[in-house]
Amino acid sequence: ELKVEQNPLFLSMQEGKNYTIYCNYSTTSDRLYWYRQDPGKSLESLFVLLSNGAVKQEGRLMASLDTKARLSTLHITAAVHDLSATYFCAVDHGGSNYKLTFGKGTLLTVNP
Amino acid sequence: NAGVTQTPKFRILKIGQSMTLQCAQDMNHNYMYWYRQDPGMGLKLIYYSVGAGITDKGEVPNGYNVSRSTTEDFPLRLELAAPSQTSVYFCASTPFRGPQSIQYFGAGTRLSVL
Repeated sequence: ELKVEQNPLFLSMQEGKNYTIYCNYSTTSDRLYWYRQDPGKSLESLFVLLSNGAVKQEGRLMASLDTKARLSTLHITAAVHDLSATYFCAVDHGGSNYKLTFGKGTLLTVNP
Repeated sequence: NAGVTQTPKFRILKIGQSMTLQCAQDMNHNYMYWYRQDPGMGLKLIYYSVGAGITDKGEVPNGYNVSRSTTEDFPLRLELAAPSQTSVYFCASTPFRGPQSIQYFGAGTRLSVL
């Protein structure tokens, strides 16, 4: 059974600081996703990571994947208030059904 | 583009009542999914479908049923609602036309069973 663990689950940051969210998963997978959810809203795709060593960046967010360690990171650089949201990683089970298992999410609050 | 449309947005049910959560997508996606989201628990897969006429159970299917008679629609049926089914329900779809394909989510249905 695929298990996905995120940490921390809660993260309070000051504006301008850097921090990293970690996503560990238990079985081999060739696709990992990061999603963002604003309060009361739907999920928005941020990144798709497909291979070992993959790195993607969008603005102040950078995601990376280490398939050997079964670890993905989401790094936040110089946080701003607009980044406050819940961030989920999701891991593909593999095969032809494209099912995902989600982590519990990291609630990020960026304070002035 | 409408994308993935879920109705209703909110609903309150009494214990033992039944209802259908509607999900429609206009992107001609083959793959569709139903998730539930409970506070602090991430999303759990209830049922999924890889095409019209084909459905399968996910991680938490008990108390739910689905059907997929068309590519566009994937309704989720709750029979004999229970308080444990109080949750936010999300429908998602993907075309899967390559490894970069993502799941697109609807706006969600917030359901309370009292």
